[in-house]
Amino acid sequence: AQTVTQSQPEMSVQEAETVTLSCTYDTSENNYYLFWYKQPPSRQMILVIRQEAYKQQNATENRFSVNFQKAAKSFSLKISDSQLGDTAMYFCAFIIYFGNEKLTFGTGTRLTIIP
Amino acid sequence: DAGVTQSPTHLIKTRGQQVTLRCSPKSGHDTVSWYQQALGQGPQFIFQYYEEEERQRGNFPDRFSGHQFPNYSSELNVNALLLGDSALYLCASSSRGMDEKLFFGSGTQLSVL
Repeated sequence: AQTVTQSQPEMSVQEAETVTLSCTYDTSENNYYLFWYKQPPSRQMILVIRQEAYKQQNATENRFSVNFQKAAKSFSLKISDSQLGDTAMYFCAFIIYFGNEKLTFGTGTRLTIIP
Repeated sequence: DAGVTQSPTHLIKTRGQQVTLRCSPKSGHDTVSWYQQALGQGPQFIFQYYEEEERQRGNFPDRFSGHQFPNYSSELNVNALLLGDSALYLCASSSRGMDEKLFFGSGTQLSVL
């Protein structure tokens, strides 16, 4: 079975600080994509960052970066210079490359940025 | 360019009723997936449609069914509603073979009383 675990139900941080959200996953597959999605109160799932498992280099998107440790099956998200608009639920997810064609999500981390 | 659109936004039903949710994929996408997100949980995969056929299905009962039309839009039908079916239903679209580039709609909030 493929699972995603997010062990931090809630986190809060002061505006402009850096915060790291944790995620571990379990799969027997070797080729997959990992994602972090943001879900603000508008409820739409917004892609924050994507990582191909075959790439060793960690993905970055502006203030967002990941620490991908394939052997440890760990995929954390670092948000630098946090902004009030970053307040949202954050979900870690993965999909098997050309596989079962479904995203498997974690239970999410509620992140609050404090002014 | 319109993204993924879902209707209605909110819906209230009573136990035993039937409901139909609708989804129009992002322009250029031909594959539609449906997810159920219960309160406080991550989304759970229901099924995926491509070429008007169900291609993959998650662990959901037969009360959950769907359809895809020639214009790639899709419907999710739930029969004999249970209180536990109350959830946010998300639609996601992609191009076939590019499931790593999913785009989500804002969902339909279904409340079953």
